[in-house]
Amino acid sequence: AQSVTQLDSHVSVSEGTPVLLRCNYSSSYSPSLFWYVQHPNKGLQLLLKYTSAATLVKGINGFEAEFKKSETSFHLTKPSAHMSDAAEYFCVVSDPEGNEKLTFGTGTRLTIIP
Amino acid sequence: DGGITQSPKYLFRKEGQNVTLSCEQNLNHDAMYWYRQDPGQGLRLIYYSQIVNDFQKGDIAEGYSVSREKKESFPLTVTSAQKNPTAFYLCASSIRQGSSQPQHFGDGTRLSIL
Repeated sequence: AQSVTQLDSHVSVSEGTPVLLRCNYSSSYSPSLFWYVQHPNKGLQLLLKYTSAATLVKGINGFEAEFKKSETSFHLTKPSAHMSDAAEYFCVVSDPEGNEKLTFGTGTRLTIIP
Repeated sequence: DGGITQSPKYLFRKEGQNVTLSCEQNLNHDAMYWYRQDPGQGLRLIYYSQIVNDFQKGDIAEGYSVSREKKESFPLTVTSAQKNPTAFYLCASSIRQGSSQPQHFGDGTRLSIL
C-alpha cells in the first residue's frame, strides 16, 4: 500500500528566506509524486509533478522538488519566500502498481513572516 | 477559460435531508472525482468515475451517492445516512484515470448542518 507523510504540520519563514517543506512516501513501485497548493476556501492547484523523468522537478511560482529514491523523499523548496506563498501545501503519491488512486498527505501550512 | 465549477459555494443541510452538490467541467476530461476534506486529515476519496455511466466507490463512500449521465457533470448527493456531513467537498477531474495524470480541482463546496 502507498502512503505519504508530511513531516511538518506548520512551517513559518520570513519573507525572502528559503522554504523547505518535507515529504516522505512509501510505495511498492516507482511512484508518481505531486505537490499541490491550496489557498483558503479554494481548490487545490498543481505546483509540480514527478513521473520518473528528471529527479529535480521545477514547478510554478519558483518552487522545485527533488525525488530521492534512496531516502524515499520528495521535499519541496523555494529559494526566496514571498507573502503570496502563504497557503496549505499537500504532497501526493500515486502508485502505478496499485490502484492508481491518489493518496494525499495531511498538509503543511506555510506562514510567511513580513 | 476551461475549468471545474462547483456550486453552491456554501450549503446547509437540515436533519434527515438529502442535498446535492454540483460539479461541472469543460476540460473534456474522462475521469472525475469527489473528495472530502476535514481539518488535519488531507483529502479522502468518496467516489470516482472513469467514464460516462460508470463510477466506483472510494475510501469513504457510505452515506453518499453519485451519477455520471454526462461527461461534463458529476453531481454528489449527501444523504441523510451520512451522520457527519460537515466538511469541505472538492470535485476534481483528469484527462483519464492514471497514476501520472494530475487532477484539476474546483473551488469546493462547504457543507454545514443546521
